Amino acid sequence: GAVVSQHPSRVICKSGTSVKIECRSLDFQATTMFWYRQFPKKSLMLMATSNEGSKATYEQGVEKDKFLINHASLTLSTLTVTSAHPEDSSFYICSASSGRVGYNEQFFGPGTRLTVL
Amino acid sequence: EDKVVQSPLSLVVHEGDTVTLNCSYEVTNFRSLLWYKQEKKAPTFLFMLTSSGIEKKSGRLSSILDKKELFSILNITATQTGDSAVYLCAVEADSGGSNYKLTFGKGTLLTVNP
Repeated sequence: GAVVSQHPSRVICKSGTSVKIECRSLDFQATTMFWYRQFPKKSLMLMATSNEGSKATYEQGVEKDKFLINHASLTLSTLTVTSAHPEDSSFYICSASSGRVGYNEQFFGPGTRLTVL
Repeated sequence: EDKVVQSPLSLVVHEGDTVTLNCSYEVTNFRSLLWYKQEKKAPTFLFMLTSSGIEKKSGRLSSILDKKELFSILNITATQTGDSAVYLCAVEADSGGSNYKLTFGKGTLLTVNP
C-alpha cells in the first residue's frame, strides 16, 4: 500500500519558536495533502487542504498565518507552526491522496507529537 | 456544517463478544463513508462505503451503509484483545472545485478484556 512518512515523529520546543513538520508520500505522487490535528481523546480535526503548487485551503477557525503550509512538490508538504504556544501542543497528522479519478483514499502519516513548553 | 456522530463513545467487552459501533452523519455533497482503526498513532484504513445495503467484510469485521437513514454500522465478531482501539468514522464530501474533505466523528474507544 501507499506509504506516507512524517518527520519529526516527536518535537519539544520552547514557546515563541517555530516548528516545521514534513509530510512525504514515499511511493506515489500526492496531488492533495491534508493536515489534521488531534487533541487527547478527541477526533481528528481537518486544519487545511493543500494541492501541489497552489495555496492551501484552511478550515474555519484555523489561522493561516500561524500554520503555514507549503506543498511545493508532489511528494512533500510542510506545516510550520509559527511562534508556537503551549496551546499548540497536539498530535499533528498529515494524509496524502493521489487524487486518481474514482480513487480518493487518503493515506495517513504516522503523526508528529508537538509539545510546546 | 458537516457533522459525524459516533456512538457509543466507549465500550468495554470481553473477548469473544460481538460489538456494533454506530455512525450517523449529516453532510452536504456526500461521497463516501470510511471506517478507521486508531491505536497509538495514525488511523489505519478499514472500509470505504459508497453504496447503501452492500456489506463489506474483512475477516471478523464488517460494515454497511444506509444512505437513506444516513448511518453506518461497524460490526466486530469474536472480539480479541488486539481489537482494542479507537474506531473512527469519517465522511468524505465535496468541498468545492476538485477538492473533497473528511469529517471525522469523535470515535468509539473499544476495550476488549481477556
